[in-house]
Amino acid sequence: GENVEQHPSTLSVQEGDSAVIKCTYSDSASNYFPWYKQELGKRPQLIIDIRSNVGEKKDQRIAVTLNKTAKHFSLHITETQPEDSAVYFCAADSIAKLTGGGNKLTFGTGTQLKVEL
Amino acid sequence: DTGVSQDPRHKITKRGQNVTFRCDPISEHNRLYWYRQTLGQGPEFLTYFQNEAQLEKSRLLSDRFSAERPKGSFSTLEIQRTEQGDSAMYLCASSPWGRDTDTQYFGPGTRLTVL
Repeated sequence: GENVEQHPSTLSVQEGDSAVIKCTYSDSASNYFPWYKQELGKRPQLIIDIRSNVGEKKDQRIAVTLNKTAKHFSLHITETQPEDSAVYFCAADSIAKLTGGGNKLTFGTGTQLKVEL
Repeated sequence: DTGVSQDPRHKITKRGQNVTFRCDPISEHNRLYWYRQTLGQGPEFLTYFQNEAQLEKSRLLSDRFSAERPKGSFSTLEIQRTEQGDSAMYLCASSPWGRDTDTQYFGPGTRLTVL
């Protein structure tokens, strides 16, 4: 089945530094790659996503890059702030779109990001 | 709050009891998903609805689990004869029809604890 691997599992950075989280996926037909931020006890929140027809996307301090040939994508957070501390999940859609056009996501195991003052 | 809502937020039950959770998607989102998340893991897909039709089910969804979306709006997930292994966060997500149909918006989840 589909597999998404995410590294590192924990990441500690100083405030103002950059953070990079990397994911690899197994399904060469995957076309959609979202990133979610989940604070303790709260819902996963979509922070950025990328589709296979682009290689990079940026939204203020957050950027995502995609290498379809190598089947990996990365999240980059610049100028980190304490409020960036959370668990971040990458995901990839599955080879077979669900019946009716729905989109099953396979998630990585998460990265606990801690931004220290 | 116009986002996805779930009820209850927490449920503690004894092994062998039945439980039912409810999800209200974002208005006019015709696609609805259920995921399960255990501690330290990412969400795992359970099942998917388009309008009122349940179109896909994961192998994770044993015959003790049943989900419905009778009018194509809210959905319920029922677990019969709960087991300790069912303890997890049950997340619901919805996505719109048309543009950006890939994007899934998650609810706050129902945390189930089976004693």
